[in-house]
Amino acid sequence: KAGVTQTPRYLIKTRGQQVTLSCSPISGHRSVSWYQQTPGQGLQFLFEYFSETQRNKGNFPGRFSGRQFSNSRSEMNVSTLELGDSALYLCASSWAGTGQETQYFGPGTRLLVL
Amino acid sequence: GQQVMQIPQYQHVQEGEDFTTYCNSSTTLSNIQWYKQRPGGHPVFLIQLVKSGEVKKQKRLTFQFGEAKKNSSLHITATQTTDVGTYFCAGNTGNQFYFGTGTSLTVIP
Repeated sequence: KAGVTQTPRYLIKTRGQQVTLSCSPISGHRSVSWYQQTPGQGLQFLFEYFSETQRNKGNFPGRFSGRQFSNSRSEMNVSTLELGDSALYLCASSWAGTGQETQYFGPGTRLLVL
Repeated sequence: GQQVMQIPQYQHVQEGEDFTTYCNSSTTLSNIQWYKQRPGGHPVFLIQLVKSGEVKKQKRLTFQFGEAKKNSSLHITATQTTDVGTYFCAGNTGNQFYFGTGTSLTVIP
């Protein structure tokens, strides 16, 4: 079974721009969660999608948004980029996102905002 | 709000020494998971603990869930250079995971 894939792997943007990141979960997994990882803050939960609906949301501003498609693939979008948005963005998939299952992480997208 | 604290933040050990990282939650958890992230890699699931007081072992790794389900620990016996990485706990309440800040382990050969 193929693992979780994320594209692109690396991205450089400038302040004020917007960016869209993509995540393809493991086949059959319907829950996709997004995390932001920075050296100072660790892994912070952004949001979780299940069956095209956002079920949970972390404490991030409205500039961070996401969606999930019918094939469970998910995208996250960050508008009006700020320097502090530079981070590794990880997505994780699981079967149903019950909180009792293993989360499988993708390799991440490393975003640098200049 | 929900917080999961993890200590220590960094740990350097001589190969063969033991290592322990501790995870503490401000609220009771449904379950806790542990992940390992190698340098330059992504988190990889190690184990899940669900029951109060539960202890699980994986070779040299021992995981414990506190009686009150608010804390957990990971102990590695006789560390090896392959144990290098950052160990994260992730506490679950409902459907949301709260990750600890991680403990970065360096093993000196």
